[in-house]
Amino acid sequence: NAGVTQTPKFQVLKTGQSMTLQCAQDMNHNSMYWYRQDPGMGLRLIYYSASEGTTDKGEVPNGYNVSRLNKREFSLRLESAAPSQTSVYFCASSAGTGEAPLHFGNGTRLTVT
Amino acid sequence: QKEVEQNSGPLSVPEGAIASLNCTYSDRGSQSFFWYRQYSGKSPELIMFIYSNGDKEDGRFTAQLNKASQYVSLLIRDSQPSDSATYLCAAHTNAGKSTFGDGTTLTVKP
Repeated sequence: NAGVTQTPKFQVLKTGQSMTLQCAQDMNHNSMYWYRQDPGMGLRLIYYSASEGTTDKGEVPNGYNVSRLNKREFSLRLESAAPSQTSVYFCASSAGTGEAPLHFGNGTRLTVT
Repeated sequence: QKEVEQNSGPLSVPEGAIASLNCTYSDRGSQSFFWYRQYSGKSPELIMFIYSNGDKEDGRFTAQLNKASQYVSLLIRDSQPSDSATYLCAAHTNAGKSTFGDGTTLTVKP
């Protein structure tokens, strides 16, 4: 049982380049999330999808787009990367009920130069 | 103002002591609350959750919730060096949104 799988694990981009972070879960979870974590900081919510077919902005959505491709997959796209987007990105999923915890992927370490 | 605020760290306690971690939240739509532990370079992992006012105990961990005060806490009894990590408080709304605080870094000294 893989849980939540994120790809890639590491990425270096130049300013202005685009890329898509992929996330897939095999737990039949309804809700999926993208967070970023800067050094010494907590997790900041970028976008979330409470259920298949819906997406909503979180705390820091500017510069990002998301797609809930199906129940399993939730991708995060950077259209024009900026140095301020250098961070560790975590995807998470949950059953979506009030007491259901988040299950996290291993993270993607992104550097924008 | 952040939706979830945690007491500023770092927090250092001796082995065997009680560590107290605090969290406040501003969204009254928050229904359930989670404490996660994150070791350096790793993903967060769940310690426990609480959604009813009062205390909830699980082994050495006790979570406390006071919805009127919008306050959540985590007590770690008999702290061990292996408890040294960053502790993240999260608030979850019925709309499916989960928001985290900045975390409190705990060091347990042998």
